Formats: sequence, structure tokens, C-alpha cells
Amino acid sequence: NAGVMQNPRHLVRRRGQEARLRCSPMKGHSHVYWYRQLPEEGLKFMVYLQKENIIDESGMPKERFSAEFPKEGPSILRIQQVVRGDSAAYFCASSPGLAEVYEQYFGPGTRLTVT
Amino acid sequence: KNEVEQSPQNLTAQEGEFITINCSYSVGISALHWLQQHPGGGIVSLFMLSSGKKKHGRLIATINIQEKHSSLHITASHPRDSAVYICAVTSQKLVFGQGTRLTINP
Repeated sequence: NAGVMQNPRHLVRRRGQEARLRCSPMKGHSHVYWYRQLPEEGLKFMVYLQKENIIDESGMPKERFSAEFPKEGPSILRIQQVVRGDSAAYFCASSPGLAEVYEQYFGPGTRLTVT
Repeated sequence: KNEVEQSPQNLTAQEGEFITINCSYSVGISALHWLQQHPGGGIVSLFMLSSGKKKHGRLIATINIQEKHSSLHITASHPRDSAVYICAVTSQKLVFGQGTRLTINP
């Protein structure tokens, strides 16, 4: 049973470009979470998704950021018109059920660098 | 004030020492997690607990719900335990502490 997979592991974008980060949850997991870790800062919740539904997006910046978890395929975190401040490590985690009950399993992260 | 506070922020010890990392939180929670982040950046879940105590190898985690406090202990510490240890609480979503950077010298 493969763990949570994220790709790419490293992504370099110029200011104004789009960044697409992918997360494939563990087999059997229908809940996906995205977290951001800014340089020298702690992890921050961004969004919680179930298949085809956004459950909680209270941690997402209001503009330029969006997330989806389609019926088929990986979850995607999309950042439009990236700025230098978006440079961070983005981690995805998955669980088989509610966050209150089940442990989350983390992916290796995608390190986004905006030049 | 952060909802989840860890202490100390940095801890350096000699191999073999008993290590304690503390976590206090101010919100109602359904569970508390201890995570380990290695220098390469990967995050591993060590414990998820909602009461009492859990043990896994040389690691022990305790939680006191009434006092809103948890501790992570490492017995017979080893240089490979060097990492950032992160406390997080589940209150519908994960809220993270700032982490404790642990360095174990041989």
C-alpha cells in the first residue's frame, strides 16, 4: 500500500505563472488535507476536501488559490499568478475518515520556489 | 497568543539523555497529534491520542485533558532522534504548534 504521493517534489515558477500541485492519497482514503509551511514557520492548515467536496477552506487565501479533489484522480492545489510570498513547502495528508477520529498520513511535500 | 504552544523551541542534549517536550493548547480538541519532521522535510505521525498515555518503542506521549497539556518523552535519546517535533490538535482541522527543534549530540 503506497503512502501519500505528491508531485512534483520541487517546482520552480516565475512570478505570474501558475503552479499546480498534485496529491494522491493512500488507497482507501477519501479525505485530503493541504497544509503550507512558509520558510522558518510552522505548518498552517489550508483546506480539507472529500471526494468532489470542499469541507473546510478557511485556511485558503481568498484570491489566486483553489483546490479540488475530483471523483477520479489526484487532489490538485492550484495557485494562479504566483508571487514570491507563495514560496513554501506544501504538504498534503490523507485519512480514511473524519479528522477528529482518524490519523492523518503525510506526503513528502512539494517545495515551491517563485523566482 | 497561539492556540498551540510548545516548549522548548530548541533543545540540545547528549546521547542517552531523557528528553521531554511540552505542548499546551487553549481550544477544545477531539485529539492531539505528535509529528516528527526530519531535516529532509518529510513529516511522520508519531502519536494520535485523546486521553492517557501511549508508548511506541522509546517514545511516550501523555495527555491531560483537564489541564490542556501534553508531553512527548524520548528515553535513551540517540542522534537519529534529531528532528523537529510538532504538536498539533484536532478541532475540526489540525492546528499546529511552532515545533521543537531537537538536536542529540553523540
